[in-house]
Amino acid sequence: QSALTQPPSASGSPGQSVTISCTGTSSDIGAYDHVSWYQQYPGKAPKSIIYEVEKRPSGVPDRFSGSKSGNTASLTVSGLQADDEADYYCSSFAGNYRVFFGGGTKLTVL
Amino acid sequence: EVQLLESGGGLVQPGGSLRLSCAASGFIFDNYAMGWVRQAPGKGLEYISLITERGADTFYADSVKGRFTISRDNYNNVVHLQLNSLRADDTAIYYCARDRRPLYSHGEFDWWGLGALVIVSS
Repeated sequence: QSALTQPPSASGSPGQSVTISCTGTSSDIGAYDHVSWYQQYPGKAPKSIIYEVEKRPSGVPDRFSGSKSGNTASLTVSGLQADDEADYYCSSFAGNYRVFFGGGTKLTVL
Repeated sequence: EVQLLESGGGLVQPGGSLRLSCAASGFIFDNYAMGWVRQAPGKGLEYISLITERGADTFYADSVKGRFTISRDNYNNVVHLQLNSLRADDTAIYYCARDRRPLYSHGEFDWWGLGALVIVSS
């Protein structure tokens, strides 16, 4: 079982946009539209912010958006705010109840 | 509101066993698959197990296969994770999570518990 590949860190200034990539294979991201993104603050449980590639759960600001092209999914955070500083994880369904997570990206708001 | 509350974590010696439980409320429990995701100290998320709505199907990551067992009690709205033959690298926070789609598990989790800390050390 292989993890998805995310950059370990990303950063941006308040008001800017940042995009975090998540690279998988044709057996996971490339095969299914079941890509999720989770936000996690230190010491807290993960929170779902994007599911099915681009859908936002109720209550998640539209500053968060998701997309996918081929074997790579992306999370874009627009209009960066201080409280966006957190760890972000992608995940993808891979068939037969398998799910792969990315290694996580620490987003810093400068 | 949906609530998931893990219990059963603690300190255990290598080779020992623990049973984690996750009490669910606020939704029709037997309509949803339930999963366990763990996070070692300072590390990322690792999906380790899932059980479908009625318990007909289960999944285990290679790292825990043969040592951990997932089960559920749909009468009492609880999912369990039995951890046997524990090793130091099983030390982690163990999160219980609900699969988002009822009767249609695709490993996207919408609600998470607060987590249960398991420490494996002599």
